[in-house]
Amino acid sequence: EAQVTQNPRYLITVTGKKLTVTCSQNMNHEYMSWYRQDPGLGLRQIYYSMNVEVTDKGDVPEGYKVSRKEKRNFPLILESPSPNQTSLYFCASSLSRLQETQYFGPGTRLLVL
Amino acid sequence: QQQVKQSPQSLIVQKGGISIINCAYENTAFDYFPWYQQFPGKGPALLIAIRPDVSEKKEGRFTISFNKSAKQFSLHIMDSQPGDSATYFCAALGGGYQKVTFGIGTKLQVIP
Repeated sequence: EAQVTQNPRYLITVTGKKLTVTCSQNMNHEYMSWYRQDPGLGLRQIYYSMNVEVTDKGDVPEGYKVSRKEKRNFPLILESPSPNQTSLYFCASSLSRLQETQYFGPGTRLLVL
Repeated sequence: QQQVKQSPQSLIVQKGGISIINCAYENTAFDYFPWYQQFPGKGPALLIAIRPDVSEKKEGRFTISFNKSAKQFSLHIMDSQPGDSATYFCAALGGGYQKVTFGIGTKLQVIP
């Protein structure tokens, strides 16, 4: 089954404790993205990747890091989480730039205390 | 600065009615405009999309209307059904390979 998986699905952590949210896709997609979803703000793109070792900033990259060492994986790293990073995070992948086949993961709900 | 403005934020429509959601953008570099549907507890799913060289695109009960000169586009859901109750996001793509900007979303409720 074609899918994007994220782990963990729910996470409660404390300010400053480094964490990683994993994202993996099994569709051999070149393009992957991370978004955060907040009430009243919709979805905002954090980072995206066009291929292995190629990443670029989205609209809200501050406080986040990403890496793309393998085509299927695109982890999101919070080196020093802060309460304003409490949010619902989505990973997505697509075959093409135009996102005609974009698939979203199920989401990771993060609470930073 | 919100580059894609979406309205209304919430919408209640009777079953069988037409749901209309509007979006406006500012950046003329945008060249692809998808709409996403999101059910509670799920990730967004691509619903329908349009390019600026087309004024209208229809897929089943869903239609996008696009007005390039006004920099506006809208989603029309004909014969709205309770199963259409979800949050809808417009988006605009451009200015890079995969850079995308979303509207704030519209929560649609279709009542029987």
